[in-house]
Amino acid sequence: GIQVEQSPPDLILQEGANSTLRCNFSDSVNNLQWFHQNPWGQLINLFYIPSGTKQNGRLSATTVATERYSLLYISSSQTTDSGVYFCAVVNSGNTPLVFGKGTRLSVIA
Amino acid sequence: NAGVTQTPKFQVLKTGQSMTLQCAQDMNHNSMYWYRQDPGMGLRLIYYSASEGTTDKGEVPNGYNVSRLNKREFSLRLESAAPSQTSVYFCASSASGVNSPLHFGNGTRLTVT
Repeated sequence: GIQVEQSPPDLILQEGANSTLRCNFSDSVNNLQWFHQNPWGQLINLFYIPSGTKQNGRLSATTVATERYSLLYISSSQTTDSGVYFCAVVNSGNTPLVFGKGTRLSVIA
Repeated sequence: NAGVTQTPKFQVLKTGQSMTLQCAQDMNHNSMYWYRQDPGMGLRLIYYSASEGTTDKGEVPNGYNVSRLNKREFSLRLESAAPSQTSVYFCASSASGVNSPLHFGNGTRLTVT
């Protein structure tokens, strides 16, 4: 099946810094989603982004499906950005989402 | 809107006991899912229901059964709990299959002793 690799596995930032999280996948995808799991365990859908670029406040995401990667940008990070960021992809048809193992982000004040 | 609601939030079982995890969504979504999350393993799909009246196995279905009771509700049953089923369980829903955004409930933390 499709492999989803996220990097880096862990990231520590000073508040106010910018960061880029990467998601590589081993095959073509029909769609890609980014999620944030906060320190209390809640999973929030950030982006549904099969291709192109989307922005939501300080967060933006770009998916280049032909090159098999997606990037999540966090600008002016805040302590509330801490948690684990997951990307998940659909390989083909109606096969279920496959999740990467996540990037754990810690933002320090 | 409540979104996706899971009950209970926490549960402790002894090996061999049974229980049902409940999930309901109020977004009129067609598709519902059950995932488990274990340290270092990410999220793994147990079962899903693409639409009312259908259910399918995911990556890790052994030891579980599901029921899509109606469009709103999708339950997960452990018939004979094992310590390997200690995990955090998440229910999720999407409007229409895998090509629409996925929305999660807050999870159920299950410990099997």
